[in-house]
Amino acid sequence: GAGVSQSPSNKVTEKGKDVELRCDPISGHTALYWYRQRLGQGLEFLIYFQGNSAPDKSGLPSDRFSAERTGESVSTLTIQRTQQEDSAVYLCASSRPPAYEQYFGPGTRLTVT
Amino acid sequence: AQRVTQPEKLLSVFKGAPVELKCNYSYSGSPELFWYVQYSRQRLQLLLRHISRESIKGFTADLNKGETSFHLKKPFAQEEDSAMYYCALSGSGGGADGLTFGKGTHLIIQP
Repeated sequence: GAGVSQSPSNKVTEKGKDVELRCDPISGHTALYWYRQRLGQGLEFLIYFQGNSAPDKSGLPSDRFSAERTGESVSTLTIQRTQQEDSAVYLCASSRPPAYEQYFGPGTRLTVT
Repeated sequence: AQRVTQPEKLLSVFKGAPVELKCNYSYSGSPELFWYVQYSRQRLQLLLRHISRESIKGFTADLNKGETSFHLKKPFAQEEDSAMYYCALSGSGGGADGLTFGKGTHLIIQP
């Protein structure tokens, strides 16, 4: 079956603009995660969605970041007033019960100029 | 706070030689440890997890709670093992705290 998909694959934006990144999890996966990977760094956990529960937003790097998920389907990560330090690859992952294997998408490479 | 350390950014070995990728962690409870791998132009994928105690593609990893380590080993490296390897930790939050990743080790297997 289809894996986790993310769009766009690449996004170049000007500093100060808003961007929206999309993640389509594997069907039936109730848990969804967003991570950020800056150049030369490991993955940094941002936020986690489980079913219809309210997510814990404490991992988001600033109040310019927000994320939503409708039920157990698509999720969007929105970055407002982008800054150059937001340049990174943003990865989405999904899993069945939260502690099981996480399946990763291909990522969105965001470049803020 | 939980932390995962992979001391080697780059590890280069010859085909047929043994490989050990180091991973140390810091966590106050009982963590679950994973190794993820990313081959060139492919997405990140799970290689193995400590509770499975499996050997995947000839790789094994043993959790050593005394040394807080989870090193990845393979007795005879193959060229197709060349990839980025990430050690990751999941705390006792049942996944709610996501995975904490190390910065990764780039493994190069020379012919």
